[in-house]
Amino acid sequence: EPEVTQTPSHQVTQMGQEVILRCVPISNHLYFYWYRQILGQKVEFLVSFYNNEISEKSEIFDDQFSVERPDGSNFTLKIRSTKLEDSAMYFCASRQRPVSPSPLHFGNGTRLTVT
Amino acid sequence: QKEVEQDPGPLSVPEGAIVSLNCTYSNSAFQYFMWYRQYSRKGPELLMYTYSSGNKEDGRFTAQVDKSSKYISLFIRDSQPSDSATYLCAMSGGDNTGGFKTIFGAGTRLFVKA
Repeated sequence: EPEVTQTPSHQVTQMGQEVILRCVPISNHLYFYWYRQILGQKVEFLVSFYNNEISEKSEIFDDQFSVERPDGSNFTLKIRSTKLEDSAMYFCASRQRPVSPSPLHFGNGTRLTVT
Repeated sequence: QKEVEQDPGPLSVPEGAIVSLNCTYSNSAFQYFMWYRQYSRKGPELLMYTYSSGNKEDGRFTAQVDKSSKYISLFIRDSQPSDSATYLCAMSGGDNTGGFKTIFGAGTRLFVKA
């Protein structure tokens, strides 16, 4: 079964550094998402992306965050200047065309540790 | 009031028990309802997906949606130790402008004892 893949599985960075988290969504999916889960807390929506632009973003997704689909397969989340509170699991998700809305399929996440 | 409320548990049951998990929500625009299972340090895995009110069964799992009460449930029959995980309810509206943003409950931690 096709799956969403994320790299790296674990990223350690120093406060103030830039990080790029990478995702390869399922190939026939057109909607892409980033979610965040701080340890022990709920899965929180960050941003949705469709047709090469952001559809919606949450309050968490401030100017320090950006997303990009640099080619036909990758979908990236960049955090420009990391803070300690950015430490979390970051999940990429994708879904099929919205003609008949379909559920999100998640990757296994990137654990970001900011020291 | 939170958009989606879910008791975080933990819920501990003996092997073979019937497990009942549930969520309430406040946004009447939600039309699509999902249950995900999440093992420690893994991504959420889709278990059940339903549209609007009604029941859906898949093996040992049954999902129920009552839109009039804004209440959804997941039942697990003949629970197994391998069912031990966190169960997340999730829902989204039918409005395409938000990219069908999906909102999650806090998750219920389930332990099934052998």
